[in-house]
Amino acid sequence: DTGVSQNPRHKITKRGQNVTFRCDPISEHNRLYWYRQTLGQGPEFLTYFQNEAQLEKSRLLSDRFSAERPKGSFSTLEIQRTEQGDSAMYLCASSLWERADTQYFGPGTRLTVL
Amino acid sequence: QQQVKQSPQSLIVQKGGISIINCAYENTAFDYFPWYQQFPGKGPALLIAIRPDVSEKKEGRFTISFNKSAKQFSLHIMDSQPGDSATYFCAATSNTNFGNEKLTFGTGTRLTIIP
Repeated sequence: DTGVSQNPRHKITKRGQNVTFRCDPISEHNRLYWYRQTLGQGPEFLTYFQNEAQLEKSRLLSDRFSAERPKGSFSTLEIQRTEQGDSAMYLCASSLWERADTQYFGPGTRLTVL
Repeated sequence: QQQVKQSPQSLIVQKGGISIINCAYENTAFDYFPWYQQFPGKGPALLIAIRPDVSEKKEGRFTISFNKSAKQFSLHIMDSQPGDSATYFCAATSNTNFGNEKLTFGTGTRLTIIP
């Protein structure tokens, strides 16, 4: 399978705990995006990387959120001190930089904060 | 501020019928309009997309109609099939100077095709 993969697919945690998600993009894609999708809504942009550089962060990304893409390949999204409002589907997408409008999404990580 | 408005929220169409989903946008800088299809438990998958230099694009049973002056675009699914039952999202982005082509999504339409 050469698509975007995300792990874990589901995560249940207690409020106040830290969680980390991983995204493996399509191998030749140098752009990587994180989106958040809540129930009944469309995905909302969180942040994106061009290779290893994080170039933009949404105002939705509070100080408790941090994303990395250390070698320009896979990316991690960490949420510290989780809150119930963080419960959502976290989606990763990747693209070629010259075709960044054509983004391919992974299956997402569904986070439930109890 | 919701930059892409989508309607209806849900739609039930009989098998073989035409499904029509509408979107309107506000940001005139948008110049690329994709539609995504999402099945439960899966990520969105790109279905079809259009740029504003054409008024219509057709791929198989799926057609996008685009009205630049009205800032509206719509997805038409011809000969709708039960396998088309999914949630559909319109989206928009601007593709200028290879900037951040972050997608702005509509709120989604849950389509159900009944036999």
